[in-house]
Amino acid sequence: AQSVTQLDSHVSVSEGTPVLLRCNYSSSYSPSLFWYVQHPNKGLQLLLKYTSAATLVKGINGFEAEFKKSETSFHLTKPSAHMSDAAEYFCVVSDRGGSYIPTFGRGTSLIVHP
Amino acid sequence: DVKVTQSSRYLVKRTGEKVFLECVQDMDHENMFWYRQDPGLGLRLIYFSYDVKMKEKGDIPEGYSVSREKKERFSLILESASTNQTSMYLCASSHSSNSLPSLNTEAFFGQGTRLTVV
Repeated sequence: AQSVTQLDSHVSVSEGTPVLLRCNYSSSYSPSLFWYVQHPNKGLQLLLKYTSAATLVKGINGFEAEFKKSETSFHLTKPSAHMSDAAEYFCVVSDRGGSYIPTFGRGTSLIVHP
Repeated sequence: DVKVTQSSRYLVKRTGEKVFLECVQDMDHENMFWYRQDPGLGLRLIYFSYDVKMKEKGDIPEGYSVSREKKERFSLILESASTNQTSMYLCASSHSSNSLPSLNTEAFFGQGTRLTVV
């Protein structure tokens, strides 16, 4: 069955420094992978998605992620953190074996210090 | 823009009450989902539906049921609310890319309903 593991429950960075949120997935098929962001008291917003096209995916607000099949990873990065990036981030996988139902990781809370 | 609307942002209900959470989407999506979100657990799938009157159990269906009488509306029902059902509930919808129940498309989420059972 498909699954996703977010390797850090919390990540703390200083404003202006790079962000790395790690995600590993498990899938027996060609997966689709997504990153969603949830700001406090807000709904989920799609940051970016990988659906078997280019392995380096660019999203909104300067975020990007690289699909690495050999490492079964889909890490989220941003060159320079902004205070407004503080939020909860979810990595999501879906594939044919799981009936393409979006399966969520447990989330990573990004904390940005001034 | 796709819009998924949940009828309430906040609800407080008493133990044993029957609770209805309503979700409406306006993009003619075939697929609809109900998740609950709890700290440290991410989003867990309760039920999903890939067509009108169709429903499938997710990972944690116990204590819940659903109804999809119209394509745009997917209701989550707590038959007899309990305190362990206090949670954030999120509805989502997505388009099916072909005639199979393929859910390989982006899911759009409502704002969530924070339910407290006392």
